[in-house]
Amino acid sequence: QKEVEQDPGPLSVPEGAIVSLNCTYSNSAFQYFMWYRQYSRKGPELLMYTYSSGNKEDGRFTAQVDKSSKYISLFIRDSQPSDSATYLCAVRDDKIIFGKGTRLHILP
Amino acid sequence: NAGVTQTPKFQVLKTGQSMTLQCAQDMNHNSMYWYRQDPGMGLRLIYYSASEGTTDKGEVPNGYNVSRLNKREFSLRLESAAPSQTSVYFCASSSSGRSETQYFGPGTRLLVL
Repeated sequence: QKEVEQDPGPLSVPEGAIVSLNCTYSNSAFQYFMWYRQYSRKGPELLMYTYSSGNKEDGRFTAQVDKSSKYISLFIRDSQPSDSATYLCAVRDDKIIFGKGTRLHILP
Repeated sequence: NAGVTQTPKFQVLKTGQSMTLQCAQDMNHNSMYWYRQDPGMGLRLIYYSASEGTTDKGEVPNGYNVSRLNKREFSLRLESAAPSQTSVYFCASSSSGRSETQYFGPGTRLLVL
């Protein structure tokens, strides 16, 4: 089993919709969780960083961690065409382990 | 403050040619990384340097060499390029250690014919 699994998409949603992006991970010892956003032909950039279980909100973005089910989510409210990108989840122990990314298209 | 910079942005090589990808960071970070990103494969770590003067193999080191020239610069060399090395290469840095948040450069797109 891969350490971090993520549906590659693409996921297409209309502008203004709520987007839900998800990852599962295998090791219950992971405590730190991240979401990176990668625009086409650019490098990944850190979007959200959370520790342990619970929610963290930053503007239109909410990161959620459910350690009991080893599931991490990123919600985007009022999605915009500028949110179209690939979103990579990542977990951290003695190194950072990246998921393969989900391609998201927001349709105007 | 440019963050992480990479040169060149794009390169075409013929099989067997060599080249060096350059990376520099101005964030005073100790650790630097080279990844390759291929469709369906995600980011794969080639080499990393925990601190100046040290380098270690990552997940896919074969066919590559690295040099940590100083604290700022970390180069990746392909001695004899192969078509399988066609990829997008990203350099990243972190303040210290592989568990710290990594900051990525814009990438180098390499095509090996």
